[in-house]
Amino acid sequence: DAKTTQPNSMESNEEEPVHLPCNHSTISGTDYIHWYRQLPSQGPEYVIHGLTSNVNNRMASLAIAEDRKSSTLILHRATLRDAAVYYCILDSWGKFQFGAGTQVVVTP
Amino acid sequence: DTGVSQDPRHKITKRGQNVTFRCDPISEHNRLYWYRQTLGQGPEFLTYFQNEAQLEKSRLLSDRFSAERPKGSFSTLEIQRTEQGDSAMYLCASSPDLPGELFFGEGSRLTVL
Repeated sequence: DAKTTQPNSMESNEEEPVHLPCNHSTISGTDYIHWYRQLPSQGPEYVIHGLTSNVNNRMASLAIAEDRKSSTLILHRATLRDAAVYYCILDSWGKFQFGAGTQVVVTP
Repeated sequence: DTGVSQDPRHKITKRGQNVTFRCDPISEHNRLYWYRQTLGQGPEFLTYFQNEAQLEKSRLLSDRFSAERPKGSFSTLEIQRTEQGDSAMYLCASSPDLPGELFFGEGSRLTVL
């Protein structure tokens, strides 16, 4: 199964951008890149996903490297409500394998 | 649409007892997933269904775990002869199709004494 590697934690100041990196060097051509986040005591929440092109939605942007071996989730202006664990996941034919994720801490 | 619902939300049981969790996905979602999550860890994949067919089961699961999705609607996850190591949050998610986002329920927390 393809795996992802993320930093354990990242810290940001409120209203500043946050760039969350993810390495997925064993990604296959058909794997989609997904990002989810999990707030304390809640189930994971979808953030964004993409295949090859960069993607934007109301929550975040996803920048995918040309060789698809890495990607970056961008939170444009971090708020205190963005403090959560962020998971980078490869969707391999419907099988989503979560790693340990990145704990994002937002400082006022 | 009320989202993915799971029942019970909390279950405390004694070691050796059987427990069953139920998940009601969002209506018309074809795919249904079960995950297990322990404190400080990411969700661990257990199994998933496409309609009523169980497509894959994690090799990490022992024979004490079984999941069903009769008629492709709700799903049940049963754990037989529970052990203390089974204590965890059991998460259910559903998805309309691929590639699609997963919609998670709030989970069922199991405590085995």
